[in-house]
Amino acid sequence: NAGVTQTPKFRVLKTGQSMTLLCAQDMNHEYMYWYRQDPGMGLRLIHYSVGEGTTAKGEVPDGYNVSRLKKQNFLLGLESAAPSQTSVYFCASSYSRLAGSEQYFGPGTRLTVT
Amino acid sequence: QQQVKQSPQSLIVQKGGIPIINCAYENTAFDYFPWYQQFPGKGPALLIAIRPDVSEKKEGRFTISFNKSAKQFSLHIMDSQPGDSATYFCAASKLTGSARQLTFGSGTQLTVLP
Repeated sequence: NAGVTQTPKFRVLKTGQSMTLLCAQDMNHEYMYWYRQDPGMGLRLIHYSVGEGTTAKGEVPDGYNVSRLKKQNFLLGLESAAPSQTSVYFCASSYSRLAGSEQYFGPGTRLTVT
Repeated sequence: QQQVKQSPQSLIVQKGGIPIINCAYENTAFDYFPWYQQFPGKGPALLIAIRPDVSEKKEGRFTISFNKSAKQFSLHIMDSQPGDSATYFCAASKLTGSARQLTFGSGTQLTVLP
């Protein structure tokens, strides 16, 4: 099992450009999450999904959109990138919403917006 | 407003030492407290977790101490090794709507010297 995979691993964008980050999981998990990690701020939740066809906003959703057309995939889109979106983006998935259900993280995508 | 406060930001110990990382939270709705370990270039991985009705949990060399009345919890690493050098994040979890959301501390970069 590959677990949680993310593509691409690195990306440089110019201000105003758009892009989509892809997250895929092969664990048949219902719940998927997108976080961003910035120095000194830990990980912050951007959007999440509780199942195929559903999405919801997290703590820092502005400037991002998401889609979950297939259970195994969760896409994060930036329609018009800004330098403030320079960050490392992590996708995670979990089996259930029970307290002990572990979130499994992907390896991350490092995005730089110039 | 940071809901989970973590300290110190960085920590250097000698091999065999016992680094201690502290976290505090405000929201009493949190009902599960995991710790994540992250190596450079990798995603966070669950290390150990505790529920608020337990005061201490040990897994191998890692121990969580939990003080519910003070709303504080800490991670102790016994007999630390250079391979433990990583960034450690505390987190607090609660149900929000139909999903379980994690709120992370800001992270502690641990260096264990040989």
